[in-house]
Amino acid sequence: EAGVTQFPSHSVIEKGQTVTLRCDPISGHDNLYWYRRVMGKEIKFLLHFVKESKQDESGMPNNRFLAERTGGTYSTLKVQPAELEDSGVYFCASSQGRFNSPLHFGNGTRLTVT
Amino acid sequence: AQSVAQPEDQVNVAEGNPLTVKCTYSVSGNPYLFWYVQYPNRGLQFLLKYITGDNLVKGSYGFEAEFNKSQTSFHLKKPSALVSDSALYFCAVRDSGNQGGKLIFGQGTELSVKP
Repeated sequence: EAGVTQFPSHSVIEKGQTVTLRCDPISGHDNLYWYRRVMGKEIKFLLHFVKESKQDESGMPNNRFLAERTGGTYSTLKVQPAELEDSGVYFCASSQGRFNSPLHFGNGTRLTVT
Repeated sequence: AQSVAQPEDQVNVAEGNPLTVKCTYSVSGNPYLFWYVQYPNRGLQFLLKYITGDNLVKGSYGFEAEFNKSQTSFHLKKPSALVSDSALYFCAVRDSGNQGGKLIFGQGTELSVKP
């Protein structure tokens, strides 16, 4: 089966610009998660979709971040306007809806805001 | 609230020696524990999990982990380290709030295996 894919793999933008990250989960996985890792620190949870609904968005840092999952398939994460502290690696993961199901991660998008 | 701690930022091991990467957890209910590995420029790869049952869990690439309820630990181990095991390792606990609950990660431990 195809894994979780993320696009782009790298993005370099200037402060104040907008960037949209995309995630395609494994087919059939209702759960989709966004995480980010900033400058070698821990992996922080951003939000969790179940199908097209936001189950938990407690990790979203502020209203400059907008996540969508229209139709319950792929998801986008938009940062507008980007700030320097948004730089980091953004990971997407998907899973089936059981406690013992591991999350399957994409390779991440490395975002650099200059 | 659930949390995970990895007390070592880096672990250095000689090839062929046993390795241990430490993890302790704090949960309010039953622990659902996971180990992931990240190689450079790649995503996190699932290694193993503990849900219930035997305290010694076996996973991918010869890794295993020992669940210890009294010490609230879930240390990752391997009897004989390989240079190719060098990577970043993350311990995680599942948020038990709902079935598809998010994973909460530790800060990661960089494992370096030297020939």
